[in-house]
Amino acid sequence: GENVEQHPSTLSVQEGDSAVIKCTYSDSASNYFPWYKQELGKGPQLIIDIRSNVGEKKDQRIAVTLNKTAKHFSLHITETQPEDSAVYFCAAFNQAGTALIFGKGTTLSVSS
Amino acid sequence: ETGVTQTPRHLVMGMTNKKSLKCEQHLGHNAMYWYKQSAKKPLELMFVYSLEERVENNSVPSRFSPECPNSSHLFLHLHTLQPEDSALYLCASSQDVRGNSPLHFGNGTRLTVT
Repeated sequence: GENVEQHPSTLSVQEGDSAVIKCTYSDSASNYFPWYKQELGKGPQLIIDIRSNVGEKKDQRIAVTLNKTAKHFSLHITETQPEDSAVYFCAAFNQAGTALIFGKGTTLSVSS
Repeated sequence: ETGVTQTPRHLVMGMTNKKSLKCEQHLGHNAMYWYKQSAKKPLELMFVYSLEERVENNSVPSRFSPECPNSSHLFLHLHTLQPEDSALYLCASSQDVRGNSPLHFGNGTRLTVT
């Protein structure tokens, strides 16, 4: 079945620095790759997604890049702020295309 | 305010109890999902419903029984649970089950089995 690997599991940065989280997936048929942010006591919230027909997408301080050949995609957060501290999950669809399979998550801590 | 509402937010139950988790989505979506989130583990897909039909059962023990009476409501009936079933149970919905439709999550039910 589909497998999604996510690294690192924890990431600590200073406010204003950049943060990068990387994921790899196993099913070459996957064509949709979302990123979710989960704050304490809340469910995961979609922050950005990318489809396989593009290589990069940006939304203000957040960007996602996709390399379909290598089957990996990355989340980039620039000018980090304390409110960016949360757990971030990458995901890809399973082989049946019916549901998302998630990475194990990255706990990002931004210190001021 | 999320478009997916889960109740209760917290639940403590004994191993012999029967309880139900409820999920309601206000987004007009056609697909609904149950995920389990345990500490140190990725979100685990449990069930997928499309237009009230179950389309995926991810090898979940029979002590978890889902019900989808309509496209806006999803239940998870619990009976004879084990302590290792303690986790955050997340409901989600999407426009459909095609492989490019974003999932919208509720805030979950924190379940503790004693």
